[in-house]
Amino acid sequence: NAGVMQNPRHLVRRRGQEARLRCSPMKGHSHVYWYRQLPEEGLKFMVYLQKENIIDESGMPKERFSAEFPKEGPSILRIQQVVRGDSAAYFCASSPNSEGEQYFGPGTRLTVT
Amino acid sequence: GESVGLHLPTLSVQEGDNSIINCAYSNSASDYFIWYKQESGKGPQFIIDIRSNMDKRQGQRVTVLLNKTVKHLSLQIAATQPGDSAVYFCAEMVNNAGNMLTFGGGTRLMVKP
Repeated sequence: NAGVMQNPRHLVRRRGQEARLRCSPMKGHSHVYWYRQLPEEGLKFMVYLQKENIIDESGMPKERFSAEFPKEGPSILRIQQVVRGDSAAYFCASSPNSEGEQYFGPGTRLTVT
Repeated sequence: GESVGLHLPTLSVQEGDNSIINCAYSNSASDYFIWYKQESGKGPQFIIDIRSNMDKRQGQRVTVLLNKTVKHLSLQIAATQPGDSAVYFCAEMVNNAGNMLTFGGGTRLMVKP
């Protein structure tokens, strides 16, 4: 059973470009979460999605950031007009239900130059 | 011994000794707790969890203790091995109130051979 997959693993963007980060949950998991991690810090919750629904986006910045989890295909975290402060590791997690253990992917390391 | 550095606090132990990593959580309503291990360049890896109706749970070489009175969580690792070297995070969740995990600041465990 493959774990949570994320791609790309590393992404470099210039200021003003768009970044698209993809996450495929574990097989059988319909709950997806995105977290951001700055160096030497813990992960910070961004958004919680189920198929075709955003359940909780209380951790998402109000502008430039959006997330989706379509009926088919991976979940996408989209950052428009990236700025240097967006440089971080972005982790996706999935779970089989609304309670309990979340399994994390390897992360996408975004660098904005 | 334990020291607080500029960023992550660090616990340095000798191989074969037991390690104790502590965490103070913030929300008295939290009812589910997880310990994660994160190696450099990787995503968090689930170690052990505990629900608020328990005060102790044991796994293989690991034990989690929960003290709800003082909002304190600890992770004990028996016979620490070099492969245990990593950053350890505690995370808390309030079930049925959104599924976001709130992560603590992390502790770096260094195992000396």
